[in-house]
Amino acid sequence: NAGVTQTPKFQVLKTGQSMTLQCAQDMNHEYMSWYRQDPGMGLRLIHYSVGAGITDQGEVPNGYNVSRSTTEDFPLRLLSAAPSQTSVYFCASSYSLTVDTEAFFGQGTRLTVV
Amino acid sequence: DAKTTQPPSMDCAEGRAANLPCNHSTISGNEYVYWYRQIHSQGPQYIIHGLKNNETNEMASLIITEDRKSSTLILPHATLRDTAVYYCIVRVPLLAAGNKLTFGGGTRVLVKP
Repeated sequence: NAGVTQTPKFQVLKTGQSMTLQCAQDMNHEYMSWYRQDPGMGLRLIHYSVGAGITDQGEVPNGYNVSRSTTEDFPLRLLSAAPSQTSVYFCASSYSLTVDTEAFFGQGTRLTVV
Repeated sequence: DAKTTQPPSMDCAEGRAANLPCNHSTISGNEYVYWYRQIHSQGPQYIIHGLKNNETNEMASLIITEDRKSSTLILPHATLRDTAVYYCIVRVPLLAAGNKLTFGGGTRVLVKP
């Protein structure tokens, strides 16, 4: 099992560019989510999905879009990158909605917007 | 979700037990206590969780007080690889909260030789 795979690991964007951060899991998990982590801070939830075709906003959704067309994939789209979106992005997945289980995290995507 | 209070940092000698405290005085009856850690530049890693009984796994032990207002994570024999930021999180069951994990500041643990 690969677990949760994020690509790319590093990315530099110019202000105004758009891009998609990829997240895939091979554990057949229902729940997937995206967090951002700024220097010296904890993780903040951007968007989450409770299953294919269902997404919802977290704490800091502005400037980001998500979709969940399959169980395995949960891409995060930056519509028009801004320097404030410079951060490390983590994708996470969990097995079930009805049983309290651990979350598995990817290794992160380090994004710099210049 | 209930808030947690952790010391910002602590040192531990290699080979000794590391005891990490967490206060969660406003915890609700249906909230679990979770511990995650984040080694530098990596994604958070699940350690252990519990509701009210003490729990143990291959990584650590979790001691929850009887009133559930505080807990302690115990790393029995700390190694240099245990140097990380440790997060104590309390939250309601999955379905009600969309499985959001609220990460606070955590405790930065430095294991010294």
